[in-house]
Amino acid sequence: AQSVAQPEDQVNVAEGNPLTVKCTYSVSGNPYLFWYVQYPNRGLQFLLKYITGDNLVKGSYGFEAEFNKSQTSFHLKKPSALVSDSALYFCAFSSNTGKLIFGQGTTLQVKP
Amino acid sequence: SQTIHQWPATLVQPVGSPLSLECTVEGTSNPNLYWYRQAAGRGLQLLFYSVGIGQISSEVPQNLSASRPQDRQFILSSKKLLLSDSGFYLCAWRPPGDRSSYEQYFGPGTRLTVT
Repeated sequence: AQSVAQPEDQVNVAEGNPLTVKCTYSVSGNPYLFWYVQYPNRGLQFLLKYITGDNLVKGSYGFEAEFNKSQTSFHLKKPSALVSDSALYFCAFSSNTGKLIFGQGTTLQVKP
Repeated sequence: SQTIHQWPATLVQPVGSPLSLECTVEGTSNPNLYWYRQAAGRGLQLLFYSVGIGQISSEVPQNLSASRPQDRQFILSSKKLLLSDSGFYLCAWRPPGDRSSYEQYFGPGTRLTVT
């Protein structure tokens, strides 16, 4: 079955340090991959997506993600973390019917 | 610009009572609409989706139903709530068509507690 996996339940980083939130995919064909962020008791906010083209995708709030076909990964990155980046992050892929299939989420904790 | 609304924001209901959650989208026509449930602040489960008025697809057999009486209105219902229906319910939309490259946009959610 096609899926995305987020291997870390939680990631802890210090403010100002680079952050990485990992996502791997198992999707046939050309995957459409997405990252979303969720703040407590809020809906999900779209951060960025990979459709085709440049493997490095830039998104909102200074986030970027690198599509790596050989490693079937789509890790979310930010050069310098902020305390306000602390939230729940979801990786997802879009099925050929347009439905989003989400990973289990990774909690990012940025400490001052 | 497009906006998506959900109400109520929070709801506490006794077991066995009915449920009606509403989602509306502004600023777009014929959107694809989705209902998700998020349990324990974690993974999202797709419950229903709709590509047009009166067209509902159910992803998971359960105690809930969905309806789309108007183009930009999506309703989630239950005749008798169960304790297991508690969770955070999210509505989402995306532009029409079969372009699976489109992202979905989420509403603010409804926190449902069944007591």
